[in-house]
Amino acid sequence: GQNIDQPTEMTATEGAIVQINCTYQTSGFNGLFWYQQHAGEAPTFLSYNVLDGLEEKGRFSSFLSRSKGYSYLLLKELQMKDSASYLCAALDSNYQLIWGAGTKLIIKP
Amino acid sequence: GAVVSQHPSWVICKSGTSVKIECRSLDFQATTMFWYRQFPKQSLMLMATSNEGSKATYEQGVEKDKFLINHASLTLSTLTVTSAHPEDSSFYICSASGGRDYNEQFFGPGTRLTVL
Repeated sequence: GQNIDQPTEMTATEGAIVQINCTYQTSGFNGLFWYQQHAGEAPTFLSYNVLDGLEEKGRFSSFLSRSKGYSYLLLKELQMKDSASYLCAALDSNYQLIWGAGTKLIIKP
Repeated sequence: GAVVSQHPSWVICKSGTSVKIECRSLDFQATTMFWYRQFPKQSLMLMATSNEGSKATYEQGVEKDKFLINHASLTLSTLTVTSAHPEDSSFYICSASGGRDYNEQFFGPGTRLTVL
């Protein structure tokens, strides 16, 4: 079957760095997305990786290892507004997104 | 950037009534639109995928006669929840693809449905 695993909840301190991990098992693979979702709002796109390696975009970076079925989202210089759920989603061979349950990130002052 | 709108943003209705939710891609042609449902503290659940001009493909366990999807144009898809019941109360989100990056889905702001 197809499966996405990510931690349910993480806590970090304002100004610090946090890494949210995601492992995936899909039928075929056409890339991995990270989305941010604030409570009561729709997800917003953060990153897309299809090749191995690290993609950096401001305070956020995303890493992919296709051989390990593994990705992480790295958030630097955490701000209170980063408190949200972070959704990992893999695109399978049919170009269908398989969603993880999301990681709720709590930022403390 | 690609913008997707949804209307209404929230709706309260009585049990047994039907509710229509619109999803529009404002600045690009959406060849494919997706409808999701999200219950509190849970992840997105794909309900159906629709391509313009063809019938929607429903996920297993989603009743196609209850959740009617119409994708009549490249910029508009509608989801009608027929004979809504309290258990249909949820956050319904649409997304669209077909913009600059084929693989990227652009999400609408969501519609919160409460059935009394």
